[in-house]
Amino acid sequence: DVKVTQSSRYLVKRTGEKVFLECVQDMDHENMFWYRQDPGLGLRLIYFSYDVKMKEKGDIPEGYSVSREKKERFSLILESASTNQTSMYLCASSPTSGGKYEQYFGPGTRLTVT
Amino acid sequence: SQKIEQNSEALNIQEGKTATLTCNYTNYSPAYLQWYRQDPGRGPVFLLLIRENEKEKRKERLKVTFDTTLKQSLFHITASQPADSATYLCALAPRGFAGKSTFGDGTTLTVKP
Repeated sequence: DVKVTQSSRYLVKRTGEKVFLECVQDMDHENMFWYRQDPGLGLRLIYFSYDVKMKEKGDIPEGYSVSREKKERFSLILESASTNQTSMYLCASSPTSGGKYEQYFGPGTRLTVT
Repeated sequence: SQKIEQNSEALNIQEGKTATLTCNYTNYSPAYLQWYRQDPGRGPVFLLLIRENEKEKRKERLKVTFDTTLKQSLFHITASQPADSATYLCALAPRGFAGKSTFGDGTTLTVKP
């Protein structure tokens, strides 16, 4: 079974802090994604990566950056956390080949910025 | 702009009945359509994927249809059980990079015993 793990389930940070959210997948998937999920707004794509060191902006990249130095690991960075970044953050991975395009999600990190 | 609409935020049905969830989209020509289940406080879990050239797909008690003319997908759960209670998300992916999907807001299904 594919496993996607996220570094924390719950995180509380102060405004202005630098925040790192880490995601690791164990299925050698090429693609990895970071989403945030808010009530009434659904899942929104922040960034995705289709290969090591490759990244592309999603729909809401402002205030975020990402890093993918190894295939299995994709990090989301909040350079200077703000209260409007309080949200549930979900990481996902998916293969590119074999006709299997479904995404496998981690358990999520609920981030509160105070 | 692309828009995905899932029918009513909440759907309540009686155990044993068939639940039917709808996903409509506009300004989009997806090559793949997926359905996911999400339980409170957890990440979505993939259920089914259907391609644009497929009309219907089944998996156990689940059935998905995909009508590219109507721009609609229907997701059916037959013989529903209280354990099927969850939020169900549809997601559309384009040709070329099927890994990048756009998600609907979801429909919360409650199956009452």
